[in-house]
Amino acid sequence: AQTVTQSQPEMSVQEAETVTLSCTYDTSESDYYLFWYKQPPSRQMILVIRQEAYKQQNATENRFSVNFQKAAKSFSLKISDSQLGDAAMYFCAYRSWKYGGATNKLIFGTGTLLAVQP
Amino acid sequence: DTGVSQNPRHKITKRGQNVTFRCDPISEHNRLYWYRQTLGQGPEFLTYFQNEAQLEKSRLLSDRFSAERPKGSFSTLEIQRTEQGDSAMYLCASSLAGQRSYNEQFFGPGTRLTVL
Repeated sequence: AQTVTQSQPEMSVQEAETVTLSCTYDTSESDYYLFWYKQPPSRQMILVIRQEAYKQQNATENRFSVNFQKAAKSFSLKISDSQLGDAAMYFCAYRSWKYGGATNKLIFGTGTLLAVQP
Repeated sequence: DTGVSQNPRHKITKRGQNVTFRCDPISEHNRLYWYRQTLGQGPEFLTYFQNEAQLEKSRLLSDRFSAERPKGSFSTLEIQRTEQGDSAMYLCASSLAGQRSYNEQFFGPGTRLTVL
């Protein structure tokens, strides 16, 4: 079974600074997706960034980028130029990929609560 | 608003009572998922539908839980004989599956259940 581990329950960053959130996962599959989701307080979860395992290039979305190390099964999220609105719980998630999309469930880590200090 | 909606947003019930939650997915989405999130944990998968067919259920979904998606539109999640351990946030998500679709899951705001 696949597992996702986030070892940082809480992190703090100064506004405009850079922070990296860590995530490791365990799987025997070769094809899969990895995601970072953001869950602001009392608001719904939104997708921040995704990475397809077959792609060697790290995904980037504006101020958000990932460091995907497939052999090490590591998937960290870097937030550059942190803003007050980035304060939220961040979840790392895994999803299998099988031809025909037979498995669709997301497997989440326990989350990292990010505080942004003004 | 064209996002995923869930009702009610909050539900307080007494142990032993039955509760039902509703999820309305994004209109063109053919897949619908239920997750449960307890305090300090990430969401855990419960079940998912493609159209009206329930294709996968987690072991977390005991026989007190039942989910339906009649006509492949909205879905309901019912919990019978609630227990205090059922207290959690119940999240619904929907996605569009297809050959050219990435199948991204969009989440609703959740229903927070408190069992007294």
